[in-house]
Amino acid sequence: DAGVTQSPTHLIKTRGQQVTLRCSPKSGHDTVSWYQQALGQGPQFIFQYYEEEERQRGNFPDRFSGHQFPNYSSELNVNALLLGDSALYLCASSFKNSYEQYFGPGTRLTVT
Amino acid sequence: KQEVTQIPAALSVPEGENLVLNCSFTDSAIYNLQWFRQDPGKGLTSLLLIQSSQREQTSGRLNASLDKSSGRSTLYIAASQPGDSATYLCAVKYSGAGSYQLTFGKGTKLSVIP
Repeated sequence: DAGVTQSPTHLIKTRGQQVTLRCSPKSGHDTVSWYQQALGQGPQFIFQYYEEEERQRGNFPDRFSGHQFPNYSSELNVNALLLGDSALYLCASSFKNSYEQYFGPGTRLTVT
Repeated sequence: KQEVTQIPAALSVPEGENLVLNCSFTDSAIYNLQWFRQDPGKGLTSLLLIQSSQREQTSGRLNASLDKSSGRSTLYIAASQPGDSATYLCAVKYSGAGSYQLTFGKGTKLSVIP
């Protein structure tokens, strides 16, 4: 049973560019959340998707957007990249709003 | 603002020692609390989850307790091993309509010296 998978593993982009990160949830899970983790910090909640809708959003600008597909996989898009967007982006999945969230290995984004 | 604080930020202990990691949260209206382990540059591995109605959970050498009234949780690690070296994160899911996110502390970086 595959856990949460994310792609790519690492990514290097230039300021002003756009990036798309991908996440496949754990089998049987229908809810996907995205978190940003800067170096030395705890993860910060970006948003959560359930039934292909954004259900809750954290304190992130509109440059951060997402999508959930009918197979429950999800994408995180970031436009007009800033140096401060450099971070580890983590995807977590769960069944509806049930007890436990399972995290993927993350995508390391570096903006130069 | 709901905040989660972890003390200490870093801890170094000799192998075999028992240790306690602390987590405090500002709002006692929580749904559950989860402890995670994170190895450098990696994702999060869930260690223990405590529901708001529970007082503690145990898994192997790990024991987590929850005191909602005081806004505190502790993670106890018995007979520490070098393989326990990692950053330990505490995360709270608050109750209430429309509350789906986890709020994390900054973590405690643990080093177990052989």
